This record gives sequence, structure tokens and C-alpha cells, in this order.
Amino acid sequence: QVQLVESGGGLVQPGRSLRISCAASGFTFRHYGMHWVRQAPGKELEWLAVVAHDGSIQYYADSVKGRFTISRDNSKNTLYLQISSLRIEDTAVYYCAKEWAEYAGGWFFDYWDQGTLVTVSS
Amino acid sequence: EIVMTQSPATLSVSPGERATLSCRASQNVGDSLAWYQHKPGQAPRLLIYGASTGATGIPARFSGSGSGTEFTLTINSLQSEDFAVYYCQQYNSRPSFGQGTKLEIK
Repeated sequence: QVQLVESGGGLVQPGRSLRISCAASGFTFRHYGMHWVRQAPGKELEWLAVVAHDGSIQYYADSVKGRFTISRDNSKNTLYLQISSLRIEDTAVYYCAKEWAEYAGGWFFDYWDQGTLVTVSS
Repeated sequence: EIVMTQSPATLSVSPGERATLSCRASQNVGDSLAWYQHKPGQAPRLLIYGASTGATGIPARFSGSGSGTEFTLTINSLQSEDFAVYYCQQYNSRPSFGQGTKLEIK
């Protein structure tokens, strides 16, 4: 069965950097685009970034462009999100999510992980 | 950016009854609309994509309709496990989500 398991969240000081990882299993990881989505306390879900199945293309939400970097290692079946210059408003639960269709499918998600909390505070 | 607006924010319905949730897009998204169910501490669950196609394993009591800018999620014969927060998401352009409708037991 499909499993997405995150690691790397926690308490971080403002201005620091953090990398979150999402380990995938149960499907052919290298065939699917992968995304990051977050939910700040009391807010709606916010799409952050996508990386193509082969890692060749990345797109970002305007709100995080320049500070967030999405990447993947298909040899390790792992997705990453690097966040630099963390801000208080980056406090949220971060989710990795798998695209529904192989290769260039529609950007909706049939599997998500349970999320990891990132708290930015001094 | 396409803004998604869901209504109502909270919906109180009795088990066994029908729930109707609405989602409006600020621009035409065609049928590029998905619905998710989200329970606290769990991963969101895909219910509907293509505005009206049920995802794998989703009970038939969940149905979606609409196109363009107006969409509806209908849940017939509500079961106890259906009480959750529901989000719509457009994927006609870079994804955006509605603010959610909390479906609670009346």
C-alpha cells in the first residue's frame, strides 16, 4: 500500500533553515509528480510547490518562491522541502502529497501523509 | 490566483440525512475540481476529482457536480464517520483550496 512518511519537522528559530523529508513506498515513486502543501493554524490548505516525476521541473507558489526549494531523490524514493529564512508565519503542518496520475497528471492528490508540524518561534 | 470560496463554513446535519456543500471559483476552472475529506491528525482523503468522478474506494453516497465556477459535494445518508472538514481544490491552474466546510453532527 502507498505510504508517505515525513520527518524533519519541529521547533525552529526565526531566520534559520530547515529541511523536511518525505519517504515514499508502495508505488513507483519516479513515475509521479510530488507536491508540498501546508496548513497554518486556523487557516486553509495552501499549495506550496511541485516537482516533476524526474525532478526536471519545479514550480512554486508566489508566497514561497525564493525561500522554499523542492527536490527529490528517486534513488531513495524521497521528496524534500528546504525552507530558508524561516518566519513566524511559516508555522504550519506540512504535508507531502502524491499526484493522482503518472507523469504529467492533473495537480490533485490521491495520497497525502499525516503531516509534520513546523513551529517557528524564538 | 484563483480564489475558492466554500459555503457554509459550518454545516450541522443529523446522521442519515443529506449534506450539501458548495464551492465557488473566482474564475472558470472547467471540471478541474477535487474534493477532500480531512479529519484531525489524519491525512486528507481524496473523494472526488474531475468535479464528479469518485476516487477509488469512495462510497457511492459521496457525489460531486458542477462545472465552471459553481460546484457541489453531496453526501447522502450521513454516517458517523462522515463528520469532518471538507475542502474543494481547483487544479485548472496552480492549485488553490477553499477554506473548508466543517460538517458536524446536529
